[in-house]
Amino acid sequence: ETGVTQTPRHLVMGMTNKKSLKCEQHLGHNAMYWYKQSAKKPLELMFVYNFKEQTENNSVPSRFSPECPNSSHLFLHLHTLQPEDSALYLCASSQEGVSFTGELFFGEGSRLTVL
Amino acid sequence: GNSVTQMEGPVTLSEEAFLTINCTYTATGYPSLFWYVQYPGEGLQLLLKATKADDKGSNKGFEATYRKETTSFHLEKGSVQVSDSAVYFCALSDLPNTGNQFYFGTGTSLTVIP
Repeated sequence: ETGVTQTPRHLVMGMTNKKSLKCEQHLGHNAMYWYKQSAKKPLELMFVYNFKEQTENNSVPSRFSPECPNSSHLFLHLHTLQPEDSALYLCASSQEGVSFTGELFFGEGSRLTVL
Repeated sequence: GNSVTQMEGPVTLSEEAFLTINCTYTATGYPSLFWYVQYPGEGLQLLLKATKADDKGSNKGFEATYRKETTSFHLEKGSVQVSDSAVYFCALSDLPNTGNQFYFGTGTSLTVIP
């Protein structure tokens, strides 16, 4: 138990569906992240939120839309996805600033399959 | 730019064998280096880290030494156990107070057989 909870753990959706992934952290951290994990590729940083403000968007297609309503919750809204978007989506959190220990705390991931 | 290259797997070892997983990096500054581990069905968790040249990170019998001259951070363990079966990720961060710029490798899958 890392203190970062992701739901759902598994999701199957068609290309025309709209769904959302949810992440909640119980660690009091001030930064949250979405990563994409695909086979044989490095983890891809998608979005970063510091103090609820988005600070990174690494050229992610607009069919992925993040939302961070508060420092404990992070969503990834999915719309009109492609089969190549099938992957494990990992949420992480950290405490930024002088308290940063170099450690990201990851959730267990949401396995997404796009048909 | 920054990047991490680690040996491709999968790696299969017998219990009590010696483990080395190679990792080299490219960085423009003076990064901190990390090994993360992902057990089956779980997210990544920090295994060990080193923040400057010649530092040795260690945890759970695993070790890695930050070698600036060879830009390497190889992971080693003298005697692996079945419970070490997991995917291991090498990573670097070039900003001291933030996780905003982590660069991960592709991961190396390790299977330890009894």
